[in-house]
Amino acid sequence: GESVGLHLPTLSVQEGDNSIINCAYSNSASDYFIWYKQESGKGPQFIIDIRSNMDKRQGQRVTVLLNKTVKHLSLQIAATQPGDSAVYFCAENIDSGYSTLTFGKGTMLLVSP
Amino acid sequence: GAVVSQHPSWVICKSGTSVKIECRSLDFQATTMFWYRQFPKQSLMLMATSNEGSKATYEQGVEKDKFLINHASLTLSTLTVTSAHPEDSSFYICSAKGGLVHEQFFGPGTRLTVL
Repeated sequence: GESVGLHLPTLSVQEGDNSIINCAYSNSASDYFIWYKQESGKGPQFIIDIRSNMDKRQGQRVTVLLNKTVKHLSLQIAATQPGDSAVYFCAENIDSGYSTLTFGKGTMLLVSP
Repeated sequence: GAVVSQHPSWVICKSGTSVKIECRSLDFQATTMFWYRQFPKQSLMLMATSNEGSKATYEQGVEKDKFLINHASLTLSTLTVTSAHPEDSSFYICSAKGGLVHEQFFGPGTRLTVL
């Protein structure tokens, strides 16, 4: 289930389940969105991106959905594995000139064997 | 793929001293580099954006005289935390992008602990 910690919401799933991580972004003018995975003590790792002219994009085991009407982004991970355990951040690009990214608050995904 | 390194990976220093963190793009020319700070269980907060050969642009609330950024070449940017204090203890992460490429490539981060 999902719980909200002091700062970081946590999603706990069983291995093999599908996981859905949600993100609300702030600026309706944002035109580019990225999901990152961050393992403890490491830098963010690119997972998948989507442009505002699309509403869905699929990668390997991951799918990103974009709903511009409600400014909502989601990351779906199929057949979640213990190695997927990490913090997941969405980021939006507001200033396309310098590609400045604004990161969401993050969700910790915990996958139990 | 594009690789960004940071050095050191961790550093412990005494209060009042200065610490320099390096960010390097290893296999591409980074026209723009970004510095972020991340406190435990929180998100990445952009501190500043630097373009090679020009002054960095700092985000609101970030003291430019305390966090000195130098982007002297297309493969190196440095962040110097001057007169560090315990509240500066954090995880500092850089990222780099080159040319017209949209994607930012992130470094592994530097853990700073100020005693």
